[in-house]
Amino acid sequence: QLQLQESGPGLVKPSETLSLTCTVSGGSISSSSYYWGWIRQPPGKGLEWIGSIYYSGSTYYNPSLKSRVTISVDTSKNQFSLKLSSVTAADTAVYYCARSSDFDYWGQGTLVTVSS
Amino acid sequence: QAVVTQEPSLTVSPGGTVTLTCGSSTGAVTSGHYPYWFQQKPGQAPRTLIYDTSNKHSWTPARFSGSLLGGKAALTLSGAQPEDEAEYYCLLSYSGARRWVFGGGTKLTVL
Repeated sequence: QLQLQESGPGLVKPSETLSLTCTVSGGSISSSSYYWGWIRQPPGKGLEWIGSIYYSGSTYYNPSLKSRVTISVDTSKNQFSLKLSSVTAADTAVYYCARSSDFDYWGQGTLVTVSS
Repeated sequence: QAVVTQEPSLTVSPGGTVTLTCGSSTGAVTSGHYPYWFQQKPGQAPRTLIYDTSNKHSWTPARFSGSLLGGKAALTLSGAQPEDEAEYYCLLSYSGARRWVFGGGTKLTVL
């Protein structure tokens, strides 16, 4: 059974870079032609797709976030990561990682608060 | 960027049938948008119910079905149960499944 787990700081200061990692267990991140992605949800609001990465490293980003987002993959650690730069309070959200080929497996989510 | 629209809220009686819809600002929703439907309950991660318009996962209750209806993607719940009360999100693909846009969600009340 595939499992995904987000990790990273729960508090980030404004203007700094948010960094999260998703660790995949129960399967290899590079064993098949899957996409892996990040989705976020501000408190009390809807879901927003942030971006996805192909196991080979090709990336696709939400145009509204593209200038601030970097998604990378580390196949040796079976992980993929999210970096979001120049954060503001509007980036406060629960951040989910998911297998975005079918959106069938999700992490439990991690709340990141942007505050000084 | 495309905007995906859903009904903000709907109410269904226990045992009743309700259809949620998902529209696109770019025009008719087609199978090429690979419509997804998710169910989310408070404090939980979203759970996929329907993928690629009408396909179900092994965990999808049989009372849920997906289709295209009148230029929109649709999720029909037949025989609503109290546990179906949740937020439902649709997701559409643009640019050949490389970019995705979520709808704003529909809060479904079973009452």
